[in-house]
Amino acid sequence: ELKVEQNPLFLSMQEGKNYTIYCNYSTTSDRLYWYRQDPGKSLESLFVLLSNGAVKQEGRLMASLDTKARLSTLHITAAVHDLSATYFCAVDMIETSGSRLTFGEGTQLTVNP
Amino acid sequence: KAGVTQTPRYLIKTRGQQVTLSCSPISGHRSVSWYQQTPGQGLQFLFEYFSETQRNKGNFPGRFSGRQFSNSRSEMNVSTLELGDSALYLCASSLRGRATTQYFGPGTRLLVL
Repeated sequence: ELKVEQNPLFLSMQEGKNYTIYCNYSTTSDRLYWYRQDPGKSLESLFVLLSNGAVKQEGRLMASLDTKARLSTLHITAAVHDLSATYFCAVDMIETSGSRLTFGEGTQLTVNP
Repeated sequence: KAGVTQTPRYLIKTRGQQVTLSCSPISGHRSVSWYQQTPGQGLQFLFEYFSETQRNKGNFPGRFSGRQFSNSRSEMNVSTLELGDSALYLCASSLRGRATTQYFGPGTRLLVL
């Protein structure tokens, strides 16, 4: 059974600071996704990482994937209040045809002024 | 391009009743997946449909069922509702499922009394 673990689960940081959210998964996969969820809202796709060493950046967020270590990171640079949200990583099992995402528990990020 | 739409947005039912939720994917998307989100269990995969066929199924009891129509619209049905079925039900669509961005709808919030 595929397990996906994120840490930290809660993150409070000051504006302007940098931090990294980690996503570990238990079985072989090369399909990893990052999503953002605002309170009471749905999931917004941030990144799709499809190969070992993939790195993608959008604004103050950068995501990377190391399939050998079964690890993805979401790095936040110079955080601003608008980044406050819950961030999820999700993994597709490599043996699965189609899609069957297993999500991490989510990291609740609060950026304080 | 219009996003994923889900109806109804909110629903209150009582134990033992059944419910049908609807999802209209983004035009051209053939894969539709359903997820349940609860505070205790997080985001859990229910099933995925592609070209009217169920391609993947999660670990939910048979009370949870779904289908997809020829226009890619999908419905999920929950029979004999239990209190624990109270959740946010999210539908996601993508071009072909695997290795493509999953776009989530706003969700249907179901409360079972």
